[in-house]
Amino acid sequence: QKEVEQDPGPLSVPEGAIVSLNCTYSNSAFQYFMWYRQYSRKGPELLMYTYSSGNKEDGRFTAQVDKSSKYISLFIRDSQPSDSATYLCAMSPGSNYKLTFGKGTLLTVNP
Amino acid sequence: DTGVSQDPRHKITKRGQNVTFRCDPISEHNRLYWYRQTLGQGPEFLTYFQNEAQLEKSRLLSDRFSAERPKGSFSTLEIQRTEQGDSAMYLCASSLTSGSTGELFFGEGSRLTVL
Repeated sequence: QKEVEQDPGPLSVPEGAIVSLNCTYSNSAFQYFMWYRQYSRKGPELLMYTYSSGNKEDGRFTAQVDKSSKYISLFIRDSQPSDSATYLCAMSPGSNYKLTFGKGTLLTVNP
Repeated sequence: DTGVSQDPRHKITKRGQNVTFRCDPISEHNRLYWYRQTLGQGPEFLTYFQNEAQLEKSRLLSDRFSAERPKGSFSTLEIQRTEQGDSAMYLCASSLTSGSTGELFFGEGSRLTVL
């Protein structure tokens, strides 16, 4: 079993839809949880960062962490075609330390 | 541009040849990471440096791979006697030792194709 599991999709939604992405993990040492967005042939860029359990909202994006279930989610409201990318969950036991990534979910938002 | 810079962006080589990739991190960042990403997979950790010290290496980093960060600035990743299985995107990232977000800043990657 991989430390971080993420459904690779692909996921295709119409513009304006609410998108739900999620990951599960097995390592209870993970304390820092992140979502990165990666456009084709580009490096990943940080979208959301959460420490421990709880919710965090930033504009159209909401990240949720449930450490008791070892489950993290990213919600995108009012999705836009520019949101089309691969979304990678990543986690780490320490701050500014190596990340363990999920496989990534390929999202396409259709106009 | 003050982001993480990687060179070359794409390298095509024949099996058995040696290749070297260079990464220039964000100037004030003292941690530097190398990751490998294959098609349809997330990035996999290879190794990381704090300043010039290589602090951790993954089991993925076989004897044919070597990474250096002389003087704690840029880093190089060399692959000797390349194999077709080495074909991948090699990503470099940098970060501070401590910070509020713990963000790793990634470069655009160096894509390796081994024929």
